[in-house]
Formats: sequence, C-alpha cells, structure tokens
Amino acid sequence: KQEVTQIPAALSVPEGENLVLNCSFTDSAIYNLQWFRQDPGKGLTSLLLIQSSQREQTSGRLNASLDKSSGRSTLYIAASQPGDSATYLCGPTGGGNKLTFGTGTQLKVEL
Amino acid sequence: DGGITQSPKYLFRKEGQNVTLSCEQNLNHDAMYWYRQDPGQGLRLIYYSQIVNDFQKGDIAEGYSVSREKKESFPLTVTSAQKNPTAFYLCASSQGGGNSPLHFGNGTRLTVT
Repeated sequence: KQEVTQIPAALSVPEGENLVLNCSFTDSAIYNLQWFRQDPGKGLTSLLLIQSSQREQTSGRLNASLDKSSGRSTLYIAASQPGDSATYLCGPTGGGNKLTFGTGTQLKVEL
Repeated sequence: DGGITQSPKYLFRKEGQNVTLSCEQNLNHDAMYWYRQDPGQGLRLIYYSQIVNDFQKGDIAEGYSVSREKKESFPLTVTSAQKNPTAFYLCASSQGGGNSPLHFGNGTRLTVT
C-alpha cells in the first residue's frame, strides 16, 4: 500500500524567500506525481504533473522534481509571495489511476 | 467554463439518515473520484469510476455507495452505516489513462449530529 509523507508539516517564511517542500512515497511503481494547492475550505488546484519518465516540470515560479527510484519529489517555490500561502499536497498515481495523498505542508508567507 | 460542481457546499443531517452528495462535471472526463478529508489525515479515496456504469471501492468504502449512470454525474450516498460521517467530501475527475491531472470540485462539508 502506497504511503506518502510530506515534510515539513508547516512552514512560515518571509516574503521573497525561495523554499522547498518535500514529498516521499514508498511504492515507486507510479504513473505520475502531482502537486496540488488547497486554500482553506476549498478544493484542490493542480499545480504540476510530472510523468514517471520525467525528472522535472516547471510552471512560472514553481519547479517540481521527481526521483522515482528513491521515492522522492520536491516542489521548489521561487521568490515566495503572500498569495502563495496555502496547503500544498503531493500525490503519486499508481495502479487503477488511483492517487494517494500526503497530509500536506501548510505554508504561510509573511509580509 | 468547464469544471466540477459539488452541491450543496454545507450539509447538515441527523444521525441515522442517509444523505446524497452531488457531483457534476462538464469536462467530458471519463474518470471520477470521491475523497474524504479529515483534519490531520489528508485525503482518502472512497470510490472511483473509470467509465459509465462501472465503479470500484477505494480505501474507505464502508458505509458509502455510489452510482455512475451518466458520464457527467457521480453522486455519493453517505449511509447510516458510516460510523463517522462528519467530514469534508471532495469530488474529482480526470481524462483517465494514467497521465491526466486530477480536477477537483470545491467540496461539500457534511455535519452529522
């Protein structure tokens, strides 16, 4: 059974700082890994999807990497802004197109 | 705009009553999913459907039921057999095929007293 761990559970940084969120998973037999953002009381918004054959994916100030063999992914956020404050979740997709979620990293970017 | 609509946003029920949560998508996606989110536990998969008239149990299906009679609709019924039904329920869809991003609705918060 896939288990997903996200570290740290919470993070508070000043505006402008670059930061890295970590995701580890136990079963490397995945099709892809997605990173999501969740604002309080809302659904999830897909940020990046990395296919299992890819090493990284970029969108604006976000860069996600994937090392499938070691069961790790990182989300790099450059020049953080207060609007980036949210919970970030990672989810590898395995058999049956089932996505298993980590518990998330709660990010607060302060002015 | 294409998207996923979950209704209602808030739902209150008395213990012992069944309740049905609505999920509709106009993205023409084949696959649909129901997740439950509890504080500190992340999202857990309840049921999923890869195609119309077919669905599979997820990790925590006990006390729940679903149907998939139409491509755009995937309602979830929380039955009286579900021991701890109070939670935030999220519906999602994807094109399927193993490399499609998941799109989520805005969720329904169910409170059972």
